[in-house]
Amino acid sequence: KQEVTQIPAALSVPEGENLVLNCSFTDSAIYNLQWFRQDPGKGLTSLLLIQSSQREQTSGRLNASLDKSSGRSTLYIAASQPGDSATYLCAVIRFSGGYQKVTFGTGTKLQVIP
Amino acid sequence: GAVVSQHPSWVICKSGTSVKIECRSLDFQATTMFWYRQFPKQSLMLMATSNEGSKATYEQGVEKDKFLINHASLTLSTLTVTSAHPEDSSFYICSATTSGGSPSPYTDTQYFGPGTRLTVL
Repeated sequence: KQEVTQIPAALSVPEGENLVLNCSFTDSAIYNLQWFRQDPGKGLTSLLLIQSSQREQTSGRLNASLDKSSGRSTLYIAASQPGDSATYLCAVIRFSGGYQKVTFGTGTKLQVIP
Repeated sequence: GAVVSQHPSWVICKSGTSVKIECRSLDFQATTMFWYRQFPKQSLMLMATSNEGSKATYEQGVEKDKFLINHASLTLSTLTVTSAHPEDSSFYICSATTSGGSPSPYTDTQYFGPGTRLTVL
């Protein structure tokens, strides 16, 4: 059974700081890994999707890396802003029985202090 | 881009009533839709997978008679919480994808709806 863990569970940083969020998964037979942000009471916003054949993806101030062999992914946020405050979820995607199976991580709640 | 909507965005109901939540893919045909549930301060958990025109596949521990899923068309799936009780209060999110079969890097991204917050009194 795939288990996805995110460390730290919560993080508070001053504005402008660079930070790294970690995601680890137990089964390396994945197809994709996706990072989301979730604002309180809201749905998911997709940030970055990394296919298993890729090692990283970048979008603006965000950079996500994937190391399948070690079962790890990191989300790097450069020059953090108060608007980055949210819960960040990583999700591991695999195929089982012909269908996608998505396992979400436990989340990291980020607070960026002005 | 691909957009998935949910209706309603929030609902409050009395214990014992049934509630229907709709999930629509607005600009693409969704061969497969997924329903997730998120309890407070917990991560999302997959409840079931549904393909258009066939029965949903439920995850272990999810009562299929309580959570009725219908995927009648390529753009609409519904989740009905029957005889809802306070412990069913949760945040329900659907997602949709165009691929339910062989992996395709161009069509198998899941697109998530905004979620529906259900409160059962």
